[in-house]
Amino acid sequence: NAGVTQTPKFRVLKTGQSMTLLCAQDMNHEYMYWYRQDPGMGLRLIHYSVGEGTTAKGEVPDGYNVSRLKKQNFLLGLESAAPSQTSVYFCASSYALGRPAGTQYFGPGTRLTVL
Amino acid sequence: EDKVVQSPLSLVVHEGDTVTLNCSYEVTNFRSLLWYKQEKKAPTFLFMLTSSGIEKKSGRLSSILDKKELFSILNITATQTGDSAIYLCSLPGGETSGSRLTFGEGTQLTVNP
Repeated sequence: NAGVTQTPKFRVLKTGQSMTLLCAQDMNHEYMYWYRQDPGMGLRLIHYSVGEGTTAKGEVPDGYNVSRLKKQNFLLGLESAAPSQTSVYFCASSYALGRPAGTQYFGPGTRLTVL
Repeated sequence: EDKVVQSPLSLVVHEGDTVTLNCSYEVTNFRSLLWYKQEKKAPTFLFMLTSSGIEKKSGRLSSILDKKELFSILNITATQTGDSAIYLCSLPGGETSGSRLTFGEGTQLTVNP
């Protein structure tokens, strides 16, 4: 049982390049999330998904796209990276409400630098 | 809009001290309040609080919720250097928001030997 895993752990991009971050969970969680964490800003939600084939915008969705083709995977894409997207990205997953509500399990993070 | 405010933002203590971290919140539909500890990597879950006045305890850490005054505290007694971390307070949204968490900025705790 690996929990939540993220690929890659580190990446350096040039402005305008694209990339995809992969998140995988093996806990059969319904909900999955992508956050970014910046100094002094706390964790901010980018996009989330309440089930396979569904996604929704979070607080800071601009410049990112996501897909949830399989229940266990949640992909975060940057089509044209910008220096403002330099951050640490965390994926998380949780059960649907009620068992237990709200507890999220986090992946180890991806440190992305955009030059 | 849900809001979570933590204080202090930063705290430096010596080993053996007791610390109290604060979290106040405004939320439309309260379901629970969660505390996480974040060391160098991902946040790890500490406590979930749903009822006022019932203390949750895990070793030297304890937490309590006051739903009337809309705050929670996290206590750490006899601190150790391994307690150095960012402590995050968060609240999940309702069912229509996919249980998304609203996080406070966190309290950076540094415990010096």
